[in-house]
Amino acid sequence: QQPVQSPQAVILREGEDAVINCSSSKALYSVHWYRQKHGEAPVFLMILLKGGEQKGHEKISASFNEKKQQSSLYLTASQLSYSGTYFCGTDYSGGGADGLTFGKGTHLIIQP
Amino acid sequence: GAVVSQHPSWVICKSGTSVKIECRSLDFQATTMFWYRQFPKQSLMLMATSNEGSKATYEQGVEKDKFLINHASLTLSTLTVTSAHPEDSSFYICSATGTSGSSYEQYFGPGTRLTVT
Repeated sequence: QQPVQSPQAVILREGEDAVINCSSSKALYSVHWYRQKHGEAPVFLMILLKGGEQKGHEKISASFNEKKQQSSLYLTASQLSYSGTYFCGTDYSGGGADGLTFGKGTHLIIQP
Repeated sequence: GAVVSQHPSWVICKSGTSVKIECRSLDFQATTMFWYRQFPKQSLMLMATSNEGSKATYEQGVEKDKFLINHASLTLSTLTVTSAHPEDSSFYICSATGTSGSSYEQYFGPGTRLTVT
């Protein structure tokens, strides 16, 4: 039931755009996106809820296709600080009672 | 707001000893706390869910007698790794949901890196 992330890794130049996908085989209540830098805890980026409510960053956006059970994270005009591993965490029940099931992560490297 | 702290941030212990890790919500009441484990270059894996005042719910494959979880108050949960072995070396991260902001968002602590020698 672990969500599948793609791509596994991507290298970009500063200023380029990136899309990271997260796909589930099970119906989703919400999708949570995190970025983790080496040796640090994950940092919250975005949450997408069933029904459309959304929270997140200014320069990062995301979509949630409930029918396809997929979410995509969009990073536009990437900055060096965007480098890290991006994880999507899926919640199948809602309400905050259950933990998240995380994908394997997407490694993003931004080069100058 | 919505700050979660963990203590210690890094611990090295000898094989066979027990280690206690604390997870605190500093500015909100955490009705539910989650414990995750992350091995190097791998994803976060949920170990257990704890609600204040009740027994923790463990994920399949996680030994409840080895990883003791106590959630005695609305701001504190502890994870005790009993009789730790080198294979328990990992990055342990807690998260919490509660009275801060959305009930859907999980607030993560900074993590505790455990090395068992």
